[in-house]
Amino acid sequence: DARVTQTPRHKVTEMGQEVTMRCQPILGHNTVFWYRQTMMQGLELLAYFRNRAPLDDSGMPKDRFSAEMPDATLATLKIQPSEPRDSAVYFCAASDTTDTQYFGPGTRLTVL
Amino acid sequence: AQSVTQPDIHITVSEGASLELRCNYSYGATPYLFWYVQSPGQGLQLLLKYFSGDTLVQGIKGFEAEFKRSQSSFNLRKPSVHWSDAAEYFCAVGSGNTGKLIFGQGTTLQVKP
Repeated sequence: DARVTQTPRHKVTEMGQEVTMRCQPILGHNTVFWYRQTMMQGLELLAYFRNRAPLDDSGMPKDRFSAEMPDATLATLKIQPSEPRDSAVYFCAASDTTDTQYFGPGTRLTVL
Repeated sequence: AQSVTQPDIHITVSEGASLELRCNYSYGATPYLFWYVQSPGQGLQLLLKYFSGDTLVQGIKGFEAEFKRSQSSFNLRKPSVHWSDAAEYFCAVGSGNTGKLIFGQGTTLQVKP
């Protein structure tokens, strides 16, 4: 069955390095979300797109984070430069016209 | 503004016992309501959803939820819990306009043998 995929599943990097996380949404699910999950803050919405256009990125630190959707099959979330406080699990989700969101397995990021 | 409250941060039940997880929402119109489950190291999986119609909704893994407009609640239930149900459970509300969901803080379920 169709699923949201994310790569990489795990990423360990050093402070200051660029990190790129990728998401392949379910074909035809035209709204794509990026979330961050930590023990302290829980699940936070960072940004989302509809039909590849950014709708809301107010949850994202603008100075170091960027999200794009170069085509309907790929969404990316970049952090440059990364910091230890960015360590978290990052989830991509895609929704259909009923607002039902389907989550990917997440990318566990550790910034040393 | 929309909000979701899950009053119980942590619940422990014995295997085979019944389960009810509480969810209260704040929303002016008829909301879209969801329950998700997250097992350790996994993404969130949709358990069930309510949009309209019958207020008792059946989901996967034997779960059900009941929408009660008068109480602004959407509680999740299961008649007999299995050890594999140990996980974190999230209630969420959507408006149908923005596409965004507002999630509760989650309830961690522990199952005792």
